[in-house]
Amino acid sequence: EVQLLESGGGLVQPGGSLRLSCAASGFTFSNYAMSWVRQAPGKGLEWVSFVTGSGDDTHYADSVKGRFTISRDNSKSALYLQMNSLRADDSAVYYCAKGRGANSIYDFWGQGVLVSVSS
Amino acid sequence: EIVLTQSPATLSLSPGESATLSCRASQSISDLLGWYQQKPGQAPRLLIYDTSNRATGIPARFSGSGSETDFTLTISSLEPEDFAVYYCQQRRIWPITFGQGTRLEIK
Repeated sequence: EVQLLESGGGLVQPGGSLRLSCAASGFTFSNYAMSWVRQAPGKGLEWVSFVTGSGDDTHYADSVKGRFTISRDNSKSALYLQMNSLRADDSAVYYCAKGRGANSIYDFWGQGVLVSVSS
Repeated sequence: EIVLTQSPATLSLSPGESATLSCRASQSISDLLGWYQQKPGQAPRLLIYDTSNRATGIPARFSGSGSETDFTLTISSLEPEDFAVYYCQQRRIWPITFGQGTRLEIK
């Protein structure tokens, strides 16, 4: 059974940093692209970032480019999102999502982790 | 950036009726469109990928069609558990984008 478990969320002040983690199990992690998708309270889905199975290629939404870094450790079946220079509009539930193969359609999602940016 | 526009914003129907949800892309995305269902407090669930392919475990009452810029999700004979928010998503061009969602509510 595929499982994705996010952690690392919480309350942070504007300008601060957080590192989200996603522990994956139930599939061969290195064979699949992974992404982060977020959802502000009461709003729709916003794609944040993507990484290939090998980790050698990444993509970012313009809204986070230069501030967020996606990475993965295939030996640990773990996905990460390093978030720096956080702003109030980064407040959202962040989902870890598994790609369907190498592509960016998402067939499994974690339960999400809440990030709140406020002073 | 490709903008996906979903319509209607809200659809009010009764169980047993059929639902037709639309997603229009601002430029051609070939057939690289997916649909998700999201219920309150839950993560999204993949329903359809690449326009018309049902994801694993998705009932046959869900079907997708379309091409290039115009896409449709059809739910035949609505079940009580189908009332939720539905999102489309394109993967043709970076950045990945989602539509703003259609809320399917019980009439």
